[in-house]
Amino acid sequence: AQKVTQAQTEISVVEKEDVTLDCVYETRDTTYYLFWYKQPPSGELVFLIRRNSFDEQNEISGRYSWNFQKSTSSFNFTITASQVVDSAVYFCALNRMNRDDKIIFGKGTRLHILP
Amino acid sequence: NAGVTQTPKFRVLKTGQSMTLLCAQDMNHEYMYWYRQDPGMGLRLIHYSVGEGTTAKGEVPDGYNVSRLKKQNFLLGLESAAPSQTSVYFCASISGTANQETQYFGPGTRLLVL
Repeated sequence: AQKVTQAQTEISVVEKEDVTLDCVYETRDTTYYLFWYKQPPSGELVFLIRRNSFDEQNEISGRYSWNFQKSTSSFNFTITASQVVDSAVYFCALNRMNRDDKIIFGKGTRLHILP
Repeated sequence: NAGVTQTPKFRVLKTGQSMTLLCAQDMNHEYMYWYRQDPGMGLRLIHYSVGEGTTAKGEVPDGYNVSRLKKQNFLLGLESAAPSQTSVYFCASISGTANQETQYFGPGTRLLVL
């Protein structure tokens, strides 16, 4: 069975601090996709990144970076120099590549960036 | 190109009433999904469709039905609404499994069942 665990329900940090959101996944498949989505207070879901299981290279996009480690089944997300606009709920998700059309979401981490 | 749209944006129902939520996409995507989002529960898949005329059950299908008569539309029906179905419903679509860059989400429908 597939499962995504985001153990941090809620995190608060002061603006400009770095923060890491944890994501641990379970799957028996060797090929899969991992995703991160952002849901700001306005409610829409915003795609942030997709990573396939073949590629363990870390990725950086501006202040965002992702650390994918198959050995620990983790796909953690770090925001550097956080800003108030980063306040949102962040979801990690998993999908079995080319075999299953369902994307399984974690329960999300609510991030508060305090001014 | 409107992306994924959902109708209505908000609805209040009484227990036992029925309604249909419409999801429309203009990106010629094959796959479409209906999720519900509840506080502290993340997104849970209700039903999905891998193409016109096909539907499949997700994690929480009970109390819902779906239809995909046209490729661009995915309808979610509640035959007899219950308070437990109070939630925010999101529709999503992707082009296909082989090129699964991202799911495009609609803006959501807030449903309150009294």
